[in-house]
Amino acid sequence: QVQLQESGPGLVEPSQTLSLTCTVSGNSIRSGGYYWTWLRQVPGKGLEWLGFIYYTGSIDYNPSLKSRLDMSVDTSENQFSLKLTSVTAADTAVYYCAREGVAFEYWGQGILVTVSS
Amino acid sequence: EVVMTQSPATLSVSPGERVTLSCRASQSISSNLAWYQQRPGQAPRLLIYGASTRAAGVPARFSGSGSGTDFTLTISSLQSEDFAVYHCQQYNGWPWRTFGQGTKVQMK
Repeated sequence: QVQLQESGPGLVEPSQTLSLTCTVSGNSIRSGGYYWTWLRQVPGKGLEWLGFIYYTGSIDYNPSLKSRLDMSVDTSENQFSLKLTSVTAADTAVYYCAREGVAFEYWGQGILVTVSS
Repeated sequence: EVVMTQSPATLSVSPGERVTLSCRASQSISSNLAWYQQRPGQAPRLLIYGASTRAAGVPARFSGSGSGTDFTLTISSLQSEDFAVYHCQQYNGWPWRTFGQGTKVQMK
């Protein structure tokens, strides 16, 4: 059974960098065939796709956030990661990692990240 | 960017009723549309992909239809566990995926 789990700090200060990791079990990232994705959801609002990384390291980002985003993959640990720089209160959201094959089939439970001093 | 618009924003219904949710794309997305169910405090759950194909384990009371710009999710007989927010999402505008704002199905 495929499972994803987000981890990282739940509180980040304004202007700092938000860093999250997604640990995957039940599916080797190295096996290919899927896009490993980050999304977020401001509480009470809709979902926003942030970007994906493929096991080869190929990446694509949401154009609206591209200048602040950095994603990476560690196939030896079966993890992929997100960094979002220069955060503001507008980046407060629940962050999800997900596997995309045909649509987003598997999701992590989500992690609430609050940007506040 | 493909903009997805869902209607209505909120739907008040009773268990056993037939429910129809709409999703419209700002340009044609063929059948590259998915629907998700999100219960409070949970991650979204994939219901439908390819506009009309049910994901594994999804009850048959959920069905999707449409192509191009207009899509519908139908719940044939609403069960208590179906009270949730439903999101549509397009995956035609490669590589960027966009979601609608969601429709909340609540008890009347």
